[in-house]
This record gives sequence, structure tokens and C-alpha cells, in this order.
Amino acid sequence: NAGVTQTPKFQVLKTGQSMTLQCAQDMNHEYMSWYRQDPGMGLRLIHYSVGAGITDQGEVPNGYNVSRSTTEDFPLRLLSAAPSQTSVYFCASSYLGREKLFFGSGTQLSVL
Amino acid sequence: GESVGLHLPTLSVQEGDNSIINCAYSNSASDYFIWYKQESGKGPQFIIDIRSNMDKRQGQRVTVLLNKTVKHLSLQIAATQPGDSAVYFCAENKGGGADGLTFGKGTHLIIQP
Repeated sequence: NAGVTQTPKFQVLKTGQSMTLQCAQDMNHEYMSWYRQDPGMGLRLIHYSVGAGITDQGEVPNGYNVSRSTTEDFPLRLLSAAPSQTSVYFCASSYLGREKLFFGSGTQLSVL
Repeated sequence: GESVGLHLPTLSVQEGDNSIINCAYSNSASDYFIWYKQESGKGPQFIIDIRSNMDKRQGQRVTVLLNKTVKHLSLQIAATQPGDSAVYFCAENKGGGADGLTFGKGTHLIIQP
């Protein structure tokens, strides 16, 4: 039972580069979300989706784009990476967005 | 803005003792609360949750208490083991049917041998 799968696990970028963090879930969850985790800051919501074709901004959306073309996949795009985007990124999904979230194992991103 | 917070960033307990991790919340509309455990290098893992129509819920070696009067949530871990060493997060939903969970900053539980 795979659950929520994130790739890659580690990534190093140079300032200005773009990349996509992948997230897939096999639980048929309608709600999917992206969080970033920084030391002492807890988990902060970047973007979320309540179903295919529907996305919305969270607390810290600037510099990130998302799309939801299928129920299973919810990729996060960094358009032009900045050092402030150095963080650990978690994808999470749930049946109902306001209840228990299932998390992936995270992507550790460093922007130089 | 409204937020979920924890009283202590670090909690050190002796192996075998009971641990109590506290959390304060400020959103009166929140009707669902949850605790996660995060081990180093891993994603948060669900421990236990509770709805606002309950005061207490028990799991295996864990109990969550909810005091809506003072907007306080606690996680009790019985007979703490070395494997309990982790960062613990509380989270709340936004209430009113709105989507999303708001997380506290976390408490690092350290187990002393």
C-alpha cells in the first residue's frame, strides 16, 4: 500500500532554476495539499486542491504553482528558485480536507 | 491571525514515565483536532484525533484531552519508550466546513534512559 509518494527525496538547485516536485496518492483522496517545513516554523500550507481541476492558495503560495489534472497527482512547480525556498516539502492527502491528512516522506530542497 | 501553538519546544522525560505534551488553540470554530508524530527525516505520522463534541479519546498508550473552555489540547503518552522520541505536532481544522489543517510549531520529545 503506497499511500502518498513524493519524488525526488533530495534536490539541489541554483537560484533562478525551475523544477517540479512530484506527488502521487493511491487512496482516491479528493483533497491534496503541499506544505513546507522550516526550522521553528512548523508546517505551512502552500497550495491545496479539493479535486481534479480545482486548486487554491494556502498561507505561503508566492513562487509556487500547482495543477490538478487527475485525482492521483498534484505536482508543485517552482518557477524561479530562490534561496528562501530552501526547505523540506511535504505533500499530503485526505478524503476530507478538514480532517486527517496522510503525508508523504518529504523532499529536501536546497537552493544555492 | 489565529494559530495553533505549543507551550514547550522541548520536553525531556525518563524512559517509562508518562509524557504530557500541551497545545493551545485560538480558533473557537475549530471542530477537529489531531496529533502527529514526526521522526527525523520522515513525514508526519497520524497518532490520534478528536472531534470537538468529545473531551477525551484513547488509543494504544496515547490519550488526547480536549478542554474547549480554555482552548487547550494535550497528548498523553503512557510508559514512554525510546521509540517515542520525535517531534509532536498538534493541528486543528478551521471549522465551518472550511478545508485545511493549521499546525503548531511542534514539541521535541526527548527520552532519557
